[in-house]
Amino acid sequence: QKEVEQDPGPLSVPEGAIVSLNCTYSNSAFQYFMWYRQYSRKGPELLMYTYSSGNKEDGRFTAQVDKSSKYISLFIRDSQPSDSATYLCAMRPNSGNTPLVFGKGTRLSVIA
Amino acid sequence: GAVVSQHPSRVICKSGTSVKIECRSLDFQATTMFWYRQFPKKSLMLMATSNEGSKATYEQGVEKDKFLINHASLTLSTLTVTSAHPEDSSFYICSARDMGGDTEAFFGQGTRLTVV
Repeated sequence: QKEVEQDPGPLSVPEGAIVSLNCTYSNSAFQYFMWYRQYSRKGPELLMYTYSSGNKEDGRFTAQVDKSSKYISLFIRDSQPSDSATYLCAMRPNSGNTPLVFGKGTRLSVIA
Repeated sequence: GAVVSQHPSRVICKSGTSVKIECRSLDFQATTMFWYRQFPKKSLMLMATSNEGSKATYEQGVEKDKFLINHASLTLSTLTVTSAHPEDSSFYICSARDMGGDTEAFFGQGTRLTVV
């Protein structure tokens, strides 16, 4: 079993839809959870960051972490064509310079 | 906001030559930088962790003599692809973690390397 599992999609939704993206993980030591957005041929851009369990909201984006289920989610409300990108979840333990472990990324297309 | 600048964004080189890619943190100090490689439609594959003033830590299967990493200052890390071959063609991305940071917020723009 890989440390982080993420459905690669592709996921296609109409404009205005609510998008739900998620990842599961196996390492209970993970404490930091991030979501990145990556446009084609660009570096990833941090969207949301959560420490430990809980919810976090920023504009149209909501991140949820359920450590008991080892499950994290990103919700996008009122999706726009400009949200079309690959979304990567990433996480790491609470220890120094440990690198992030990334999911495979989910390709999202929002159709106008 | 904090920015990581990666240069060049695109490079084409001949087989057998070496290519240097720079990763700079522009307004913060990064004790640790990470180098990734990404194949088309795939996720990021960590190549190495670069620590300022010490040797880089390479992931299993990554040839340290082929991918030379130097992190001589708190704002600059370089990746040199030596004796490049067509199979080294890829998208290389760096990220920087600031000294007090608990997030890997800052990624470079990426470098697309094509070896002909």
